[in-house]
Amino acid sequence: NAGVTQTPKFQVLKTGQSMTLQCAQDMNHNSMYWYRQDPGMGLRLIYYSASEGTTDKGEVPNGYNVSRLNKREFSLRLESAAPSQTSVYFCASSAAEAVLRGADTQYFGPGTRLTVL
Amino acid sequence: TQLLEQSPQFLSIQEGENLTVYCNSSSVFSSLQWYRQEPGEGPVLLVTVVTGGEVKKLKRLTFQFGDARKDSSLHITAAQPGDTGLYLCAGALWSSGTYKYIFGTGTRLKVLA
Repeated sequence: NAGVTQTPKFQVLKTGQSMTLQCAQDMNHNSMYWYRQDPGMGLRLIYYSASEGTTDKGEVPNGYNVSRLNKREFSLRLESAAPSQTSVYFCASSAAEAVLRGADTQYFGPGTRLTVL
Repeated sequence: TQLLEQSPQFLSIQEGENLTVYCNSSSVFSSLQWYRQEPGEGPVLLVTVVTGGEVKKLKRLTFQFGDARKDSSLHITAAQPGDTGLYLCAGALWSSGTYKYIFGTGTRLKVLA
């Protein structure tokens, strides 16, 4: 049981290059999320997905696209990377129906540290 | 834009002291979570509070959810060096068929031996 896995762990891009960050969870969760975390700041929501085939914008979606490929996988794509996208990216999953039982937990992956030069 | 303001941003205290971290918003949340994050890792859940006025205790940590479900506090009694880390609050809001989470800016705690 791996929980939430992310690849790659580290990446350096040049301005204008594209790349896809991969995320997978094995907990059968319906909801998945992508966040970015900048130094001295909390996590900001980029995109989220309630189920396979559905995605929605979060607080900072500009410059990103996502794909919920199936229930397990949720990928984040940078089409044309910019230095402002230098950050640590976290993927998370949760069982949304557990919120009102007080049992909701977001499980986070280890993060991808991205630098755009 | 929903905001979750967390204070203080930084806290450096001596071992054995008490401290309180606050999380405030103008939004009403379905639940509020507190996380702790170590360097180079993802956040790990400490507790979830759901009901207005709810108080939960986890050893030396006491969490309270405001009556109106807009704010929360984390109190640590007799802090220890092992409590050092980044503490994050996150409020859950229903949106587009699921809950989305708004995170506070974080409180970086350092406990000196």
